[in-house]
Amino acid sequence: QKEVEQDPGPLSVPEGAIVSLNCTYSNSAFQYFMWYRQYSRKGPELLMYTYSSGNKEDGRFTAQVDKSSKYISLFIRDSQPSDSATYLCAMSGGGGGNKLTFGTGTQLKVEL
Amino acid sequence: EPEVTQTPSHQVTQMGQEVILRCVPISNHLYFYWYRQILGQKVEFLVSFYNNEISEKSEIFDDQFSVERPDGSNFTLKIRSTKLEDSAMYFCASSEDLSGNTEAFFGQGTRLTVV
Repeated sequence: QKEVEQDPGPLSVPEGAIVSLNCTYSNSAFQYFMWYRQYSRKGPELLMYTYSSGNKEDGRFTAQVDKSSKYISLFIRDSQPSDSATYLCAMSGGGGGNKLTFGTGTQLKVEL
Repeated sequence: EPEVTQTPSHQVTQMGQEVILRCVPISNHLYFYWYRQILGQKVEFLVSFYNNEISEKSEIFDDQFSVERPDGSNFTLKIRSTKLEDSAMYFCASSEDLSGNTEAFFGQGTRLTVV
């Protein structure tokens, strides 16, 4: 079983839609959960950072962590064409020190 | 806004040659990292560096690789004898905290092509 699983997509939605992106993980020691946005051939850009379980909202973005189910989500409200990118989940903590373990990324396209 | 900067943006090298990838982390950050991303694959951890020494490294980070902080601002990744399979995007990252908080910020990457 992979340590972090993420549906690669591609996911195509119309402008204005609510987007739901998800990751599951197997290592129960993970405590820090992040979502990064990556445009083609660019570096990952940190979008959301969450510690342990719960929700965090920032503008149109909401991150949710359910540690009991080992499941994290990123919701994007009122999606825009500029949101088209690959979204990476990443996590760390427990015995893994500070290193991040990434999912494969979900490619999102928001169409006009 | 502070950012991690990497140079060069693209490096082409012949197999067997040495390359040095350079990074300037965010100035008040204390943890530095190198990750790589082979085209079409996930971002993979290579090494973390704190207090002038390696704090953790992955199986990928073998004897061909080394890291150094030669002065107060630069952080480098050296690959001694490049192989074709070293072709990838290499990302430098840095984070501020010591407590396990890994709110890490990434540079734009160096695309390494080994021919």
